[in-house]
Amino acid sequence: AQTVTQSQPEMSVQEAETVTLSCTYDTSESNYYLFWYKQPPSRQMILVIRQEAYKQQNATENRFSVNFQKAAKSFSLKISDSQLGDTAMYFCAFCDKAAGNKLTFGGGTRVLVKP
Amino acid sequence: ETGVTQTPRHLVMGMTNKKSLKCEQHLGHNAMYWYKQSAKKPLELMFVYNFKEQTENNSVPSRFSPECPNSSHLFLHLHTLQPEDSALYLCASSLSPGTSGSEQYFGPGTRLTVT
Repeated sequence: AQTVTQSQPEMSVQEAETVTLSCTYDTSESNYYLFWYKQPPSRQMILVIRQEAYKQQNATENRFSVNFQKAAKSFSLKISDSQLGDTAMYFCAFCDKAAGNKLTFGGGTRVLVKP
Repeated sequence: ETGVTQTPRHLVMGMTNKKSLKCEQHLGHNAMYWYKQSAKKPLELMFVYNFKEQTENNSVPSRFSPECPNSSHLFLHLHTLQPEDSALYLCASSLSPGTSGSEQYFGPGTRLTVT
């Protein structure tokens, strides 16, 4: 079974600065996806960014980028130019393509952006 | 309505009550999911439906009974719940598992309190 670990329960960052969230996972699979989801205080879980395991290039979506290290099984999220609206819980998720795209979530990291 | 909707948003029920949670997706997806989100625990996958057929039951107690009448609607019928069942119940949908790009899109959740 896959496991996903987010070692930082909480992080705070000043507005306009950069914060990096860590995520490690354990799997014997070679074909999978990785996702970062954001859950603001309003609770709606929103997909932030996705990475396909066979792609070496790190995914980028505007101010959000990842550092995907497949050998190290590491998938960190960098939020650049942080905005107040980035305040949320962030969940790293592993998607097992061989198991019907089953998602395994990490415990989450609470990010607080301070003005 | 767009995306994934869930009703009710809040529900308080006694242990002897019977209630149902409803989820509807307007994204043209074929797979739907129920998750349980408890405080201080990772999201737990409960059930998966693909083209109305249940493909995963993650050892969920029988007091939770899912129903998927079509690819757009998903219900979770609740009866004789326990206080430890109090949680946020999230519904999600995606393209069929195995389809490229089948990331999951979440609803806002139902906050359930069992008294």
